[in-house]
Amino acid sequence: ELKVEQNPLFLSMQEGKNYTIYCNYSTTSDRLYWYRQDPGKSLESLFVLLSNGAVKQEGRLMASLDTKARLSTLHITAAVHDLSATYFCAVDVTSGSRLTFGEGTQLTVNP
Amino acid sequence: GAGVSQTPSNKVTEKGKYVELRCDPISGHTALYWYRQSLGQGPEFLIYFQGTGAADDSGLPNDRFFAVRPEGSVSTLKIQRTERGDSAVYLCASSEGLAGAANTGELFFGEGSRLTVL
Repeated sequence: ELKVEQNPLFLSMQEGKNYTIYCNYSTTSDRLYWYRQDPGKSLESLFVLLSNGAVKQEGRLMASLDTKARLSTLHITAAVHDLSATYFCAVDVTSGSRLTFGEGTQLTVNP
Repeated sequence: GAGVSQTPSNKVTEKGKYVELRCDPISGHTALYWYRQSLGQGPEFLIYFQGTGAADDSGLPNDRFFAVRPEGSVSTLKIQRTERGDSAVYLCASSEGLAGAANTGELFFGEGSRLTVL
């Protein structure tokens, strides 16, 4: 059974600081997705990583995938309050029929 | 439509009642998914449709849960004899189809239907 673990589950950081969220998974996969969820809202797609070594950047967020280590990272640079949300990674081992999500990392960026 | 549309956005029902939740996917998306999200958790897979057929229903928790997609577009998730443990947000998502050379497999989610069973 595929397991997806995120670390940390809760993260409180100050504006302007950098931090990394980690996503480990237990079964070989080369498809990993990052989503953002604001309270009471649905999931917004952030990044699609489809191969070993893939790196994607959007604004202050950068995601990478190491399929050999079964690890993805979401790096936050110079955090701002607007980044406060819950971030989920999700892994696909079925070529599109289902995603398995991590528990989510609840990020709070304080002024 | 422009995005995945789900109705109702909120549903409060009593234990033992029957509930239907509707999902209208992005136009042209052949794949449709239902997930369930409990408070403080990540979404959990329920069922996946490719076209009209349920290609993978292994996530449905028991036979009280059933979903249809008769014309390959709109889908309805049906829950019989609801229990308090069914309370959650039910999320629908759609995608262009199975991941492959042409498709990333990226899922686009609706706002969800929040179900509360009293």
